[in-house]
Amino acid sequence: ILNVEQSPQSLHVQEGDSTNFTCSFPSSNFYALHWYRWETAKSPEALFVMTLNGDEKKKGRISATLNTKEGYSYLYIKGSQPEDSATYLCAFHTGFQKLVFGTGTRLLVSP
Amino acid sequence: KAGVTQTPRYLIKTRGQQVTLSCSPISGHRSVSWYQQTPGQGLQFLFEYFSETQRNKGNFPGRFSGRQFSNSRSEMNVSTLELGDSALYLCASSLPLGRGNPGELFFGEGSRLTVL
Repeated sequence: ILNVEQSPQSLHVQEGDSTNFTCSFPSSNFYALHWYRWETAKSPEALFVMTLNGDEKKKGRISATLNTKEGYSYLYIKGSQPEDSATYLCAFHTGFQKLVFGTGTRLLVSP
Repeated sequence: KAGVTQTPRYLIKTRGQQVTLSCSPISGHRSVSWYQQTPGQGLQFLFEYFSETQRNKGNFPGRFSGRQFSNSRSEMNVSTLELGDSALYLCASSLPLGRGNPGELFFGEGSRLTVL
């Protein structure tokens, strides 16, 4: 059974703080690692899809790194804003058409 | 470009009834996946269809079934509903893996089922 773990489970920061989350996944049978952002009452949207060990992706104030050999990925948010409040999901892809999701990190950014 | 559309958005059923949920993928996407989300749980994979064929199935009882039509639209059905089936059911479509596509999913807004 594939297990994807995310930490912390939830996080409450002040506007302007920088924060980071961790996603741990199996180090074998790796095809891709996805990060999704899920705002309340909306549908999850892909932030990053990473396939290569050492990948680093950036979108505005949000960035992610990938280590497939040790099975972890970090998501960083620099200078958090209230609009960053959402649940951040990571998902592990083995290449067999099934994504295995972690339980997510719920981020709340207070003004 | 229209996104993934799920209907109905909300529904209430009673134990023992059955329910059918519908999903229309993004035009050109032939892969459709279904996920269940309950409080405290991550997204649990139900099944995935491609070109009318179920290619992958999660660990759910046989009461959960699905199908895909020739236009790529998909339905999932839950029979003999139980209280524990109350959840948000998400559908996602994607392009085939390969061709530079690592399998990004495009989600609908979900169907929230309440079983009383």
